[in-house]
Amino acid sequence: RKEVEQDPGPFNVPEGATVAFNCTYSNSASQSFFWYRQDCRKEPKLLMSVYSSGNEDGRFTAQLNRASQYISLLIRDSKLSDSATYLCVVINNAGNMLTFGGGTRLMVKP
Amino acid sequence: GAVVSQHPSRVICKSGTSVKIECRSLDFQATTMFWYRQFPKQSLMLMATSNEGSKATYEQGVEKDKFLINHASLTLSTLTVTSAHPEDSSFYICSARSLTGDMDIQYFGAGTRLSVL
Repeated sequence: RKEVEQDPGPFNVPEGATVAFNCTYSNSASQSFFWYRQDCRKEPKLLMSVYSSGNEDGRFTAQLNRASQYISLLIRDSKLSDSATYLCVVINNAGNMLTFGGGTRLMVKP
Repeated sequence: GAVVSQHPSRVICKSGTSVKIECRSLDFQATTMFWYRQFPKQSLMLMATSNEGSKATYEQGVEKDKFLINHASLTLSTLTVTSAHPEDSSFYICSARSLTGDMDIQYFGAGTRLSVL
C-alpha cells in the first residue's frame, strides 16, 4: 500500500461546479498535511495547509480526518483556471520529509 | 512568499555529459533542501535530502555516485547528474524547507527539464 494515495482522476467538471478530492495516508503519526497545485510542466505550488479543525480559503476548503486518516479538498464554484493537478502532501512525524500523493487531475470545462 | 530559484530551467545534453543544477533560497536560510524527480504523468519522487554542512541522505534506489549533491551554504544546494544517459531524462525539482513559527513549509524551485540525447 502506498503511503499517500489519491484518485488520479481526471475529474471533468463544468464551470461553477463543486468538486471534492480525498487523499488517504498510511502513517497514523504523520504530522502535517498540505495541498499543492501543479500546473502542467511546472513546479508544485502551495495551495493551502490542512489544519485539524478544517480551514477555508476563499472557494477552497481543506479538512483532516485523523481517525480515518484522510484529508480532503473541496473546491466551490470551479473556474477554468482551477484546471490542474492537485497533490496531497504529508509530512512525517519527524518533520523532515514530505511524501506526495500521486496527484488528482482536475479539468474544468466551459 | 519565500522564493526558491532553480537553474537552469532546461538542459539538452549528449549522453555521457555531466549536468549541474543549482537550487537557491533567495530570502530565507534553508538548512534542508530536497531533490525530487518527476517522470511524465507521475508524482514527485524524493531522490535525496540535502543537509547544509553534511552528507546528503539518499532514498532507496537512488545512486549517490550518479547524483552528487552538495549543500555548501544555507542558501545553495547543487545536484550534479554525472555521466547522464537517456534514462536520466526527467523533470528535476528542488525544494527548500522553511521553518517559521509552527509552520513547516516547502517552497519549490521552478524545476529543470533534462533531456539526454
